[in-house]
Amino acid sequence: GNSVTQMEGPVTLSEEAFLTINCTYTATGYPSLFWYVQYPGEGLQLLLKATKADDKGSNKGFEATYRKETTSFHLEKGSVQVSDSAVYFCALSDPSGGGADGLTFGKGTHLIIQP
Amino acid sequence: DAGVIQSPRHEVTEMGQEVTLRCKPISGHNSLFWYRQTMMRGLELLIYFNNNVPIDDSGMPEDRFSAKMPNASFSTLKIQPSEPRDSAVYFCASRAGTGRNEKLFFGSGTQLSVL
Repeated sequence: GNSVTQMEGPVTLSEEAFLTINCTYTATGYPSLFWYVQYPGEGLQLLLKATKADDKGSNKGFEATYRKETTSFHLEKGSVQVSDSAVYFCALSDPSGGGADGLTFGKGTHLIIQP
Repeated sequence: DAGVIQSPRHEVTEMGQEVTLRCKPISGHNSLFWYRQTMMRGLELLIYFNNNVPIDDSGMPEDRFSAKMPNASFSTLKIQPSEPRDSAVYFCASRAGTGRNEKLFFGSGTQLSVL
């Protein structure tokens, strides 16, 4: 079946540091890949996505590249801000895998940015 | 649009009581999802509907859980009887289409505590 594995948190960084949150996946078909972000007390919201191999998704200074050869979709940002503190979820959508027509989420990585 | 609206935001109840969570999806969206979020298991898909019809309820933990979508603008998730292990944040999400590249819009969640 499909699965998403992401690095466990919390990840604590200083403001302006470089961020990487690792994500790898297992899928039976050709999934689309997503990063969602959850701010405190809120639901998840889409941060970026990539729908095929070598695509790069980007938004708000974050980016991630769909790497089929390593089955990875690592999230990066060159200079983080305190306002980036949140929980980040990697996810895939692969209805051809026979699963639900929703998303398979990783467990989330809590990011804490200190001023 | 007001987004996906869930109620209540917080629910505290005693073991054995019936709990009903409510969701109003974004107007025009034809797919609706119920998720449960816990520290231990992360985000789990419970059930999803397409055009008000339940498509996959394999994620519903047991018979104590039931979900309905009587029309395109309203869905409920019911737990009867509730147990302490049901304590979690329950999210409703909706999507405009059925394509796997479509993003999900999440509500703010219902924090359920079963004592």
